[in-house]
Amino acid sequence: DAMVIQNPRYQVTQFGKPVTLSCSQTLNHNVMYWYQQKSSQAPKLLFHYYDKDFNNEADTPDNFQSRRPNTSFCFLDIRSPGLGDAAMYLCATSRARTDIYTFGSGTRLTVV
Amino acid sequence: ELKVEQNPLFLSMQEGKNYTIYCNYSTTSDRLYWYRQDPGKSLESLFVLLSNGAVKQEGRLMASLDTKARLSTLHITAAVHDLSATYFCGKGAQKLVFGQGTRLTINP
Repeated sequence: DAMVIQNPRYQVTQFGKPVTLSCSQTLNHNVMYWYQQKSSQAPKLLFHYYDKDFNNEADTPDNFQSRRPNTSFCFLDIRSPGLGDAAMYLCATSRARTDIYTFGSGTRLTVV
Repeated sequence: ELKVEQNPLFLSMQEGKNYTIYCNYSTTSDRLYWYRQDPGKSLESLFVLLSNGAVKQEGRLMASLDTKARLSTLHITAAVHDLSATYFCGKGAQKLVFGQGTRLTINP
């Protein structure tokens, strides 16, 4: 089945140690999004790629970076995780900016 | 800037009762989304409402869209415990902006 896959499901990282979360899709969608969702809050968009075009949200900290080496894969890099970065990270895709969004199962990040 | 607001934020209800969750948004755009989220899980798509007057129903849930009032509603009919979850509405033409979420608890 075509889907959006996030790895790993759970990630524990040390304070200040770089960590990478991964998202892959078999839908061949143009757009890939990364959302951060903290406990009891709504998902908040960090950035998105429209094909190779990177779109950063104005309030996304510089600590967060993203890479999209090809259509299928997108990575979220956190350069120096702090305790406040502990959250669920959701990857989503869409065929165009106004189309249906498909969400992955999420990666829950714990910072110790 | 697009703002999406839901109310109520918390809702505790008895099984068998009816209730409505409201979603207001600040700017016009073409689609309104409703999602369900269980604790520790990702978002599950419930409805996509495409145009003014759209109504969609799935089981005990019914969603509607009034673009003139900039309002969408999610109506729960004869609630059952399995519907306990957090419900988000979302809107946006180029990126999806979510409401704060409504945490729904249905008690036996």
